[in-house]
Amino acid sequence: SQTIHQWPATLVQPVGSPLSLECTVEGTSNPNLYWYRQAAGRGLQLLFYSVGIGQISSEVPQNLSASRPQDRQFILSSKKLLLSDSGFYLCAWSAWTGLNYGYTFGSGTRLTVV
Amino acid sequence: AQKITQTQPGMFVQEKEAVTLDCTYDTSDPSYGLFWYKQPSSGEMIFLIYQGSYDQQNATEGRYSLNFQKARKSANLVISASQLGDSAMYFCAMREGTGDSNYQLIWGAGTKLIIKP
Repeated sequence: SQTIHQWPATLVQPVGSPLSLECTVEGTSNPNLYWYRQAAGRGLQLLFYSVGIGQISSEVPQNLSASRPQDRQFILSSKKLLLSDSGFYLCAWSAWTGLNYGYTFGSGTRLTVV
Repeated sequence: AQKITQTQPGMFVQEKEAVTLDCTYDTSDPSYGLFWYKQPSSGEMIFLIYQGSYDQQNATEGRYSLNFQKARKSANLVISASQLGDSAMYFCAMREGTGDSNYQLIWGAGTKLIIKP
């Protein structure tokens, strides 16, 4: 079965520090991968998506970057965090199931920049 | 213009009652898919139900059903016999196109549902 792992679950980082959030997928090959951010009480904002190794598309200009060094690994990074980077970050993968396009989410990382 | 609109920021419902969460969408693509997700306070995003634009019947998954009215462009989620564990944020989302031609889900702002004992 397909699973998605995301860590850490919670992170408190000072302004100006670097960031690295990791997401890995098991049980599927060549998935589409996504990073979303959710501000408190709000909907999801797509940050990056990837359709293959080394292929990253950015949806929102920002202080963050993403990389996909392996087929089932997706990393969200920042060189210097801003207060506005605080939020709940969700990794997801999708694949065509033959009937619909299924999306599965990781458990999320709650980032607080102080 | 908003592509996905959820007009109810919050709802209180008595336990065991049925509840309808509203979702309207806007697209000119004849092929699209509609999703409902539940997000409890823990933060995980849980898939509930899916409706394809060409599906002839309304989707159902256990206590969840989707009231799909294509001409009105609405895709309301109906939860029958609500339970305390149903208290959560609920998001409606849409994917335009089919196959690998489009990758993004477009999300509504969500509805916070609270079930009262």
